[in-house]
Amino acid sequence: GENVEQHPSTLSVQEGDSAVIKCTYSDSASNYFPWYKQELGKRPQLIIDIRSNVGEKKDQRIAVTLNKTAKHFSLHITETQPEDSAVYFCAAIVTNAGKSTFGDGTTLTVKP
Amino acid sequence: KAGVTQTPRYLIKTRGQQVTLSCSPISGHRSVSWYQQTPGQGLQFLFEYFSETQRNKGNFPGRFSGRQFSNSRSEMNVSTLELGDSALYLCASSSGQGSMNTEAFFGQGTRLTVV
Repeated sequence: GENVEQHPSTLSVQEGDSAVIKCTYSDSASNYFPWYKQELGKRPQLIIDIRSNVGEKKDQRIAVTLNKTAKHFSLHITETQPEDSAVYFCAAIVTNAGKSTFGDGTTLTVKP
Repeated sequence: KAGVTQTPRYLIKTRGQQVTLSCSPISGHRSVSWYQQTPGQGLQFLFEYFSETQRNKGNFPGRFSGRQFSNSRSEMNVSTLELGDSALYLCASSSGQGSMNTEAFFGQGTRLTVV
């Protein structure tokens, strides 16, 4: 079955620095790759996503890159702020099969 | 548009009992996925339903089952509860078809505690 590995499991950065989280997937049928942010006690919320026909997508301070050949995708957060502190999950999804696999999450701490 | 609604929000059950959780998706969404979240274990995929059919299932024992109704509402059932079933159960809804509108929206979850 699909396996998604997410690294690192914890990440601590100073405010203003950049943060990078990487995920690797195994199922070549995966065609949709969302990233979710989950704050303590809250539901996961989508922050950015990328489809398999796109290599990079950016939304203000957040960007995602996808390398289909290597089967890995990354989340990049620039100019981090304390409110970016949360758990971030990546996922690899086969949209027409309803199959979704999440990474184990990365706890990001941004120190003021 | 109303969001994804899960009921109940909290539940305490004893070992051996069974439990049913409910998820009402966003209006118009036909796909509902269920996940188990435990500390340090991330989001474990349970199953996904689309138009009343289970399209995919994760690696969970047969004690975990689900169904979807014609109005897209979904229920999941856990029989013969074990202490290890204590977790936050999340459902997510999406349109579920094609390559567009694939964003999934999560409910608040049901916190199940087995004692």
